[in-house]
Amino acid sequence: AQSVTQLDSHVSVSEGTPVLLRCNYSSSYSPSLFWYVQHPNKGLQLLLKYTSAATLVKGINGFEAEFKKSETSFHLTKPSAHMSDAAEYFCVVSPGGYGGSQGNLIFGKGTKLSVKP
Amino acid sequence: EPEVTQTPSHQVTQMGQEVILRCVPISNHLYFYWYRQILGQKVEFLVSFYNNEISEKSEIFDDQFSVERPDGSNFTLKIRSTKLEDSAMYFCASRYLAGGNEQYFGPGTRLTVT
Repeated sequence: AQSVTQLDSHVSVSEGTPVLLRCNYSSSYSPSLFWYVQHPNKGLQLLLKYTSAATLVKGINGFEAEFKKSETSFHLTKPSAHMSDAAEYFCVVSPGGYGGSQGNLIFGKGTKLSVKP
Repeated sequence: EPEVTQTPSHQVTQMGQEVILRCVPISNHLYFYWYRQILGQKVEFLVSFYNNEISEKSEIFDDQFSVERPDGSNFTLKIRSTKLEDSAMYFCASRYLAGGNEQYFGPGTRLTVT
């Protein structure tokens, strides 16, 4: 069965310091992986996606994630946090890989990122 | 930029009442979804819809739930007789091609059952 584990429920960083949000996945197939962000009272916005083309994936707002099959990880990073990055981040897996199924998504529990001035 | 919209943003209803949550997916998208997030819990898949029929549903999506695409733009989720445990944020999502799994989400409807 497919699952996603986000290792930290809350991460706090200072503005200008690096961000690391950790995610491990379990999937029987070659997975599609995503990171979504949710700002307060807003919908879920796609940050980036992995679809087996390249292991290092760049997303919006300076975020990137690296797919490591040997570690079954897909951690999200950003070199320098900005106050506007404060939000909840969800690691998501799509069972059946890229386009292989109807595409229902399996979400992690989320990591709340706080950014201190 | 096109986006998924949902109405209402907040719905309060009494237990046993029927509610209809509305979504307008992105216009050229072909697949439609409903998810829910109970406060403090994970976002959970409810149902997917393609070609005017349900293509997949979770065990949460029992006989109390139904979905419909009544016209070319709206996609609705109906809960026939609401229970307290139906209180949650409900998200609609849509995607375009079979070859791409990224889904675009609406802002959600917060349903409160009293």
